[in-house]
Amino acid sequence: GNSVTQMEGPVTLSEEAFLTINCTYTATGYPSLFWYVQYPGEGLQLLLKATKADDKGSNKGFEATYRKETTSFHLEKGSVQVSDSAVYFCALSVQTGANNLFFGTGTRLTVIP
Amino acid sequence: SQTIHQWPATLVQPVGSPLSLECTVEGTSNPNLYWYRQAAGRGLQLLFYSVGIGQISSEVPQNLSASRPQDRQFILSSKKLLLSDSGFYLCAWSVMGLAYGYTFGSGTRLTVV
Repeated sequence: GNSVTQMEGPVTLSEEAFLTINCTYTATGYPSLFWYVQYPGEGLQLLLKATKADDKGSNKGFEATYRKETTSFHLEKGSVQVSDSAVYFCALSVQTGANNLFFGTGTRLTVIP
Repeated sequence: SQTIHQWPATLVQPVGSPLSLECTVEGTSNPNLYWYRQAAGRGLQLLFYSVGIGQISSEVPQNLSASRPQDRQFILSSKKLLLSDSGFYLCAWSVMGLAYGYTFGSGTRLTVV
């Protein structure tokens, strides 16, 4: 089946620290991979995506590389800011059917000054 | 460009009262539409999705129902709210066959008292 496992939170970091949020997946077929971000009180926004192996998605200083050999899509940022405090969701999409986006449980990140 | 509107943003309702949350999409035709719920501190739970007018698929048995009276309108309803219906409700849309993930609305925070 299709599923996403992501790092349990919450994660608390000091400003300018390095961030890694782990995400691994299982999928039938060849999935696309996504990271969504949810800021407090808001809906989800697409942060970055990768559609094939070895692709690197990047946005706002965040990066994630599609690793087919380890079935992973870990989210990283070299220097976090207070404004990065949010919940981060890893997700995969398979292009079959309408119900085709599978989310992880989300990881809450808090960045303290 | 495509946009998604969801309202109201917040709602406080007494137990036993009815519910109607509305979601509309602009700038696209025949989208797939989704309702998710996010309980406090929890991940995303898919409630309903729809591939066309009048076509509703339910993912979990519950006190809620969904309807799609028009191509770009998706409504979440309940005849009698329960305390356990409290949560953050998110509407989303996608286009079949493209690896672009979903686009989410800004959410409705429902508190049942």
